[in-house]
Amino acid sequence: DQQVKQNSPSLSVQEGRISILNCDYTNSMFDYFLWYKKYPAEGPTFLISISSIKDKNEDGRFTVFLNKSAKHLSLHIVPSQPGDSAVYFCAASGGSNYKLTFGKGTLLTVNP
Amino acid sequence: GAVVSQHPSWVICKSGTSVKIECRSLDFQATTMFWYRQFPKQSLMLMATSNEGSKATYEQGVEKDKFLINHASLTLSTLTVTSAHPEDSSFYICSATKLPNTEAFFGQGTRLTVV
Repeated sequence: DQQVKQNSPSLSVQEGRISILNCDYTNSMFDYFLWYKKYPAEGPTFLISISSIKDKNEDGRFTVFLNKSAKHLSLHIVPSQPGDSAVYFCAASGGSNYKLTFGKGTLLTVNP
Repeated sequence: GAVVSQHPSWVICKSGTSVKIECRSLDFQATTMFWYRQFPKQSLMLMATSNEGSKATYEQGVEKDKFLINHASLTLSTLTVTSAHPEDSSFYICSATKLPNTEAFFGQGTRLTVV
């Protein structure tokens, strides 16, 4: 049973436009959510996180929105840049746990 | 952010041999580290949780005797792939977290190819 789902395996956007990556979760115990960016043959790089006590967190071009009632979060990148092209993973944790549960990732391609 | 270093970044070994991968937290102490495996075009699959000073906790379906994990100090965890076979070829990544419910920092990953 997949507790963190990223239903879009890929997304393609034009440079300068907004990229919206979506993530759904099923485990009500999750209270901390993260987004990671990954290039091929490299480890994931932390991007941004959000605690369940918030519904929005912003860091530069990256904003994460959390809708707890819908068990849904999204990552907005604006404006999108070609260097943003990578696989984006959504992850969640909860219950004072070190362990992260990852989604399957979404490949973002930003076209010049 | 914190730094997690993983070594080697790539390794080629012969079938039947063992390979050790190291994961170090360079600027913080990590009582818990994690080992992941990633197949092409697939997500990160958690293999095991490495606990300093105690036995690792393995995920269902991961062979304990195949993937030996040692967390000998607060800054070092090792994964040894024993009697490697071509199907063990994959990208292995470690991570460490400073505190519960905070971001995990990942190593650079190790590309293992078994020939």
